[in-house]
Amino acid sequence: QVQLQESGPGLVRPSQTLSLTCTVSAGSISSGTYYWTWIRQPAGKGLEWIGRIYTSGSTTYNPSLKSRVTISTDTSKNQFSLKLNSVTAADTAVYYCARAGLYYDILNWGQGTLVTVSS
Amino acid sequence: QSALTQPASVSGSPGQSITISCTGSGSDVGGYNYVSWYQQHPGKAPKLMIYEVTNRPSGVSNRFSGSKSGNTASLTISGLQAEDEADYYCSSYTTISTLGFGGGTKVTVL
Repeated sequence: QVQLQESGPGLVRPSQTLSLTCTVSAGSISSGTYYWTWIRQPAGKGLEWIGRIYTSGSTTYNPSLKSRVTISTDTSKNQFSLKLNSVTAADTAVYYCARAGLYYDILNWGQGTLVTVSS
Repeated sequence: QSALTQPASVSGSPGQSITISCTGSGSDVGGYNYVSWYQQHPGKAPKLMIYEVTNRPSGVSNRFSGSKSGNTASLTISGLQAEDEADYYCSSYTTISTLGFGGGTKVTVL
């Protein structure tokens, strides 16, 4: 069973860049028809899809975040990453990395990591 | 503001059946059979319960079932159990190749 684990700073200053990495185990990010995905959830609120990347490098982003988001892969490390720039307090949330199918069914989730944007 | 509309809360007694609705538009729920449902217990990651409107992943109880009519999808939990108390989210593929989520429904077992 594939497992995903997020890592990165838990505190980011306003206007800086949030950077997270997801390490995938028991499965290769280079194989299969899966999409490697980021989702976030502010405390006490609902889920928000951030975007996804395919093994080919093709990306799709949430239009509301598209101007600030970059998702990339490092196949040599079996990892994929999220960068969100120009962050504000509104970006404070638990960030989940996940493996999804072609039509966005989120099959496997990481445990989530809390990122707080504060000075 | 969520793309899909869910009731904030639904409750039921043990053994009863409850249904959670998820209303979208022809650009998402109504246009595609790619609606999923997730269960989230406090402090935990969500878990896929239903995909492609009606399909259950391996290991998910058959007490959970999904359906769709027009722009509204539904999740039904039959034989409600204490362990079913959680937040439930729907999601749908959209016409612009993105994913929309509902605002979530808190299920309370009385």
